[in-house]
Amino acid sequence: AQSVTQLGSHVSVSEGALVLLRCNYSSSVPPYLFWYVQYPNQGLQLLLKYTSAATLVKGINGFEAEFKKSETSFHLTKPSAHMSDAAEYFCAVSEYSGGGADGLTFGKGTHLIIQP
Amino acid sequence: GAGVSQSPRYKVAKRGQDVALRCDPISGHVSLFWYQQALGQGPEFLTYFQNEAQLDKSGLPSDRFFAERPEGSVSTLKIQRTQQEDSAVYLCASSLSSSGNTIYFGEGSWLTVV
Repeated sequence: AQSVTQLGSHVSVSEGALVLLRCNYSSSVPPYLFWYVQYPNQGLQLLLKYTSAATLVKGINGFEAEFKKSETSFHLTKPSAHMSDAAEYFCAVSEYSGGGADGLTFGKGTHLIIQP
Repeated sequence: GAGVSQSPRYKVAKRGQDVALRCDPISGHVSLFWYQQALGQGPEFLTYFQNEAQLDKSGLPSDRFFAERPEGSVSTLKIQRTQQEDSAVYLCASSLSSSGNTIYFGEGSWLTVV
């Protein structure tokens, strides 16, 4: 069985400050890990994914995440927050690099608030 | 359009009413998923299709939920005798295949049962 824990249901940072969203996973097999972003009234958009190549993964919009097996973590970071980054962020785990066939197991999400 | 399309976007149903939610995946995508997202929660897996075959329906919460994809393209999620706890966003997603490809999500169908 797989599970994802996202620490902090709400994270608030100032515009221009570092963004750090935490994700810890549990998996009985080598995991594939994903970060998705959800803007209000929209579907999920893939930010980045770890598929056992480089442990530091770069994604869209300046986000990156580092896979740390020893810590079972896959935290999402961005050096400088922008107002447009305000959204809900979901970490997800899968046994499969494409997220199928059993689909993705999601965390409960972290709402990112950007203070002007 | 080029993305995953879902309809209706918003649905208000009276308790006990049957509802049908439609998903048009990206053309040529073999894999199709349905997820349920309750308010303030992450999406939860409901069911998975590979072409017309429903390979996994382990996430369907009760026998009131039924999904089909008869021709391997459009899919319908049907909920019979809706209850208030069925209120959620139902997300459809598709991918080119079950391994190694990005899963693309639709904007969801927001169901409110009153």
